[in-house]
Amino acid sequence: QKEVEQDPGPLSVPEGAIVSLNCTYSNSAFQYFMWYRQYSRKGPELLMYTYSSGNKEDGRFTAQVDKSSKYISLFIRDSQPSDSATYLCAMRDSARQLTFGSGTQLTVLP
Amino acid sequence: EPEVTQTPSHQVTQMGQEVILRCVPISNHLYFYWYRQILGQKVEFLVSFYNNEISEKSEIFDDQFSVERPDGSNFTLKIRSTKLEDSAMYFCASRAISSGRGSQETQYFGPGTRLLVL
Repeated sequence: QKEVEQDPGPLSVPEGAIVSLNCTYSNSAFQYFMWYRQYSRKGPELLMYTYSSGNKEDGRFTAQVDKSSKYISLFIRDSQPSDSATYLCAMRDSARQLTFGSGTQLTVLP
Repeated sequence: EPEVTQTPSHQVTQMGQEVILRCVPISNHLYFYWYRQILGQKVEFLVSFYNNEISEKSEIFDDQFSVERPDGSNFTLKIRSTKLEDSAMYFCASRAISSGRGSQETQYFGPGTRLLVL
């Protein structure tokens, strides 16, 4: 079983839609959860960082962590064509290395 | 806004040659990382570096890899004898000193070096 599972998509939505991106994980030692955005042939760019279970909101983005279900989500409200990218979930335990999901490719159509 | 920079952006090399990938982390960061991403695959951890020594490494980071912080600003990844399967995007990342559970825990990535081994 892979440590982090993420639906690779591709996911295509119309502009203005609410997007839901998800990851599941198996390692209960993971404590820190992140979402990165990666444009084609660029480095991952940090979007959201969460530690505890619950929701964290930043503008149009909401990160949700459910440690009991080992499930994390990223919601994008009022999606824009500029949101088109690959979204990577990443997480780590007390060690510092990040374990990434495979990424979900999102296209927001104008 | 401070950012991690990497050079070169692209590197083409012959199998068996040595390559050095360079990174300039964010200036007040003390933890440094290398990751790689083979085309179409996950981002994979290679190595972390703190206080002038390797703190963690993955099984990918074998004897042909080495890292160095030759001066106060650069952080390098050397691949001694490149193989075809080393072709990938290599990302450097850096992190501020840990101070609990805040955003200082997060790693900031550079734009990557695309390495092609022929």
